[in-house]
Amino acid sequence: AQSVTQLDSQVPVFEEAPVELRCNYSSSVSVYLFWYVQYPNQGLQLLLKYLSGSTLVKGINGFEAEFNKSQTSFHLRKPSVHISDTAEYFCAVSPAQGGSEKLVFGKGTKLTVNP
Amino acid sequence: KAGVTQTPRYLIKTRGQQVTLSCSPISGHRSVSWYQQTPGQGLQFLFEYFSETQRNKGNFPGRFSGRQFSNSRSEMNVSTLELGDSALYLCASSLLVPGNTEAFFGQGTRLTVV
Repeated sequence: AQSVTQLDSQVPVFEEAPVELRCNYSSSVSVYLFWYVQYPNQGLQLLLKYLSGSTLVKGINGFEAEFNKSQTSFHLRKPSVHISDTAEYFCAVSPAQGGSEKLVFGKGTKLTVNP
Repeated sequence: KAGVTQTPRYLIKTRGQQVTLSCSPISGHRSVSWYQQTPGQGLQFLFEYFSETQRNKGNFPGRFSGRQFSNSRSEMNVSTLELGDSALYLCASSLLVPGNTEAFFGQGTRLTVV
């Protein structure tokens, strides 16, 4: 079984400041890792994913994340945030084998970007 | 290319009633998954279907059921609705290609049980 812990439920930052949203996971099998963003009254949009290869993954809207296997972490970063980045962000994992798309999500981090 | 379409977007039902939600996946996607999102429990996996077969089921009571049709469209049904079933129900579809997995989500159906 897998579990995901997002260490901060809310993160307030000022516009143009850097931000890091933290994610740790637990799994007895190899996993794929994802970050999704959800705007109010919307579904989830994929920001980036780690399947294999380079541990630094770049995604849309200037976001990037680094997979750290020894620390079982997959933290999301952006060097300079905009007001439009205000949203809820979800870290998720799915098993790398077995052909399942079942995602296990963290509880989410609400990012608020203030002017 | 059309995205994942969920209907209806909003629904209000009374306790004890039953409800059916619909999901049309992206053309060519044969895998469909359903999730329940609530403020208290977050995003929880309900079911996963591939080629009309249920591959995985989450930890939900038997009142929650689903199915997938030959055109990959999927429905989920909740019988004997309870107040706690009020949630955003999200559907996701994917190609289920080994080594290149990615789930695309619909905008969800907001179910309110009164």
